[in-house]
Amino acid sequence: TQLLEQSPQFLSIQEGENLTVYCNSSSVFSSLQWYRQEPGEGPVLLVTVVTGGEVKKLKRLTFQFGDARKDSSLHITAAQPGDTGLYLCAGSYNQGGKLIFGQGTELSVKP
Amino acid sequence: KAGVTQTPRYLIKTRGQQVTLSCSPISGHRSVSWYQQTPGQGLQFLFEYFSETQRNKGNFPGRFSGRQFSNSRSEMNVSTLELGDSALYLCASSLNSRGADTQYFGPGTRLTVL
Repeated sequence: TQLLEQSPQFLSIQEGENLTVYCNSSSVFSSLQWYRQEPGEGPVLLVTVVTGGEVKKLKRLTFQFGDARKDSSLHITAAQPGDTGLYLCAGSYNQGGKLIFGQGTELSVKP
Repeated sequence: KAGVTQTPRYLIKTRGQQVTLSCSPISGHRSVSWYQQTPGQGLQFLFEYFSETQRNKGNFPGRFSGRQFSNSRSEMNVSTLELGDSALYLCASSLNSRGADTQYFGPGTRLTVL
């Protein structure tokens, strides 16, 4: 059972364009994390959001946690080829270290 | 500080064999979680160990097992390998066993079952 729906699954854009990745669930999470994974590597944490309505910015990346803590979005402004990779959202129910992952968004930014 | 290390990085086995994968967490981290990553199912939680005790378990058959040692290093074992067990196995460590704790992932072990 996929508890976290992530969309789109694939995204191919030109350098300089903006994009948004969505992560939705019918469940309430105690926190939600976004990761980026490159081929041959493990996921690397980008941000953790905990409070409903929270917005966090990391340079050109903006993360938002929904008011009801059931959904989240990642917005990238002026994408660059270095942003290419697999973006994963992961929710926690506060059951220790167990994370529920979305299917991932494969982003390709062409120069 | 050294990151999470996993050995071996690549492994090829045949059906019916068993395999043991190793994970060394970041120094001072007491929680180790294991995940299976496949193209079809994505990242799925296997289990978590904290202070040598299994804290959480995912929906995997009993062929998948693990343990944690007193130095927090962890191993996972898969017995009677099946073709569908081919995957990237990732371990992640965190300081404690709280949902909001940052989990740091290792590079993974790529297991191929022939």
